[in-house]
Amino acid sequence: EPEVTQTPSHQVTQMGQEVILRCVPISNHLYFYWYRQILGQKVEFLVSFYNNEISEKSEIFDDQFSVERPDGSNFTLKIRSTKLEDSAMYFCASSVWRTNNEKLFFGSGTQLSVL
Amino acid sequence: GQNIDQPTEMTATEGAIVQINCTYQTSGFNGLFWYQQHAGEAPTFLSYNVLDGLEEKGRFSSFLSRSKGYSYLLLKELQMKDSASYLCAVKGTGGFKTIFGAGTRLFVKA
Repeated sequence: EPEVTQTPSHQVTQMGQEVILRCVPISNHLYFYWYRQILGQKVEFLVSFYNNEISEKSEIFDDQFSVERPDGSNFTLKIRSTKLEDSAMYFCASSVWRTNNEKLFFGSGTQLSVL
Repeated sequence: GQNIDQPTEMTATEGAIVQINCTYQTSGFNGLFWYQQHAGEAPTFLSYNVLDGLEEKGRFSSFLSRSKGYSYLLLKELQMKDSASYLCAVKGTGGFKTIFGAGTRLFVKA
């Protein structure tokens, strides 16, 4: 079964450093998302991306965050200057369409630890 | 505003039936999802409801009442592997984002 793949599975960085989290969505999917989950808390929406542009973003997704689809397969989340509170599991997700019943397929996540 | 409430934890016995409730208040409604999340893993899709009533899929059923802003997930013939968090999630109008509740941790004991 096709799956969303994320790399790396774990990332440790120093506060103030830039990190790039990488995702390869399912190949025929058109909509891409980043969510994050701080340990013990709920899954939070960050951003959705379609047709090479951001379609919606949350208030968490401020100027230090950016997303890019640099080629036909990768989808990246960049955090420019990491803060301690950015430590979380970051999930990439994709869906075929944005119809209401369209379920999300999640990758296995990148655990980001900011020291 | 958007608010999704579900119990924090539940415990049930192997072979039994458990009902996990979810209430929601969202700006617009375009469907309610249930996802399962095992510890340290990604959420996986279980069910979708947009019309009132019960949707059954094997051991799992999900119910929706839009007028009450209420849903439940029913798990029958519980197995140890059902120990996981169950996330209630709502799609609002606009259609791009799915908003998740904090999840209900279900412990299945022998």
